[in-house]
Amino acid sequence: QKEVEQNSGPLSVPEGAIASLNCTYSDRGSQSFFWYRQYSGKSPELIMFIYSNGDKEDGRFTAQLNKASQYVSLLIRDSQPSDSATYLCAVISKGTNDYKLSFGAGTTVTVRA
Amino acid sequence: NAGVTQTPKFQVLKTGQSMTLQCAQDMNHNSMYWYRQDPGMGLRLIYYSASEGTTDKGEVPNGYNVSRLNKREFSLRLESAAPSQTSVYFCASSEWDAGGTDTQYFGPGTRLTVL
Repeated sequence: QKEVEQNSGPLSVPEGAIASLNCTYSDRGSQSFFWYRQYSGKSPELIMFIYSNGDKEDGRFTAQLNKASQYVSLLIRDSQPSDSATYLCAVISKGTNDYKLSFGAGTTVTVRA
Repeated sequence: NAGVTQTPKFQVLKTGQSMTLQCAQDMNHNSMYWYRQDPGMGLRLIYYSASEGTTDKGEVPNGYNVSRLNKREFSLRLESAAPSQTSVYFCASSEWDAGGTDTQYFGPGTRLTVL
């Protein structure tokens, strides 16, 4: 079982709609959760992090965390063509001697005009 | 600030050749990382350095070596390149913040092809 799992997509949404991305993780002790955006041919960049159960909003982005279900999601409201990218979920869990960051394989989002 | 820089941006090697990928950061971060990214596999950690003078293996270290030259620089060496090492390589740096979280800042990547 992969430590962090995401649907690979592609997820196609019309401009102005809500894009919903999901991520599940296997380590119940995981502590911090991140969403990175990666445009084609570019490096990942952080868009949100969350470490408490519930919702966290930042502009058009909302991260949702449910530790009991080991599930974190990202909602993109009013989707724009510029949101077309691959979204990587990342999770920090505690290893034996240090902390470990694991990435999912990413979900590709296409926003059609 | 340049953030995280990597050289070269592109490289083509023949099987068996060696090369070193260079990475530098100007954010005074303690931790640095090397990842590879392959289609459908996401980012996989090769090696990391939690602080100057220390290095540790990640998920896929075989065929690679690293050197943490100083706080700024962290290099990745392929001693004898293999076609399976064809990938995009990202260097990243990070620092734990007061909120107890760790944000990674990535370099632009090196696209390596091994023939």
